[in-house]
Amino acid sequence: GAGVSQSPRYKVAKRGQDVALRCDPISGHVSLFWYQQALGQGPEFLTYFQNEAQLDKSGLPSDRFFAERPEGSVSTLKIQRTQQEDSAVYLCASSRQGSYEQYFGPGTRLTVT
Amino acid sequence: QKEVEQNSGPLSVPEGAIASLNCTYSDRGSQSFFWYRQYSGKSPELIMFIYSNGDKEDGRFTAQLNKASQYVSLLIRDSQPSDSATYLCAVKDDKIIFGKGTRLHILP
Repeated sequence: GAGVSQSPRYKVAKRGQDVALRCDPISGHVSLFWYQQALGQGPEFLTYFQNEAQLDKSGLPSDRFFAERPEGSVSTLKIQRTQQEDSAVYLCASSRQGSYEQYFGPGTRLTVT
Repeated sequence: QKEVEQNSGPLSVPEGAIASLNCTYSDRGSQSFFWYRQYSGKSPELIMFIYSNGDKEDGRFTAQLNKASQYVSLLIRDSQPSDSATYLCAVKDDKIIFGKGTRLHILP
């Protein structure tokens, strides 16, 4: 079966631009997670959805970051007025209900110039 | 601040030997523990999870958990060059917290 997919795989944005990153989880996975991974670091939690409900957004670094999952399937992470410190790989993961065994997508590498 | 600590390495192990990767965590209430493998430029891949004290074996991999010492480890037997990667320890509390990873290099 298909795994988690993310698009775009690479994104270059000029400082101040808005970007939108898409995640399509494994079919039937109700839980969806977004992480930010800087070079040489482990993934850092951003936000978590169960179906369409955003249950935890405590990891979002600022109010420029916004995530949604309106129909409980595809999710979008939006970053407004991008800054250089936003440059990182953004990873999406999904899991079955009640499980924390997460399966990651390939990530989107965001470079802000 | 809840933390997951790993030695960043690199850990160099001869091919065929046992690689031992270690992780400590700060929150005594953590219940679930995960090991992910991440090849350079790729996303993390779940290889083991453990919930109970003791050992859990899966092929060449053994996860060991000691909740009293707040310590979890991963042993890789008969190490292969293809095992060369960064190994991320992750701990679930109210959310999943990852360590920074240990770079493992298997020497042919």
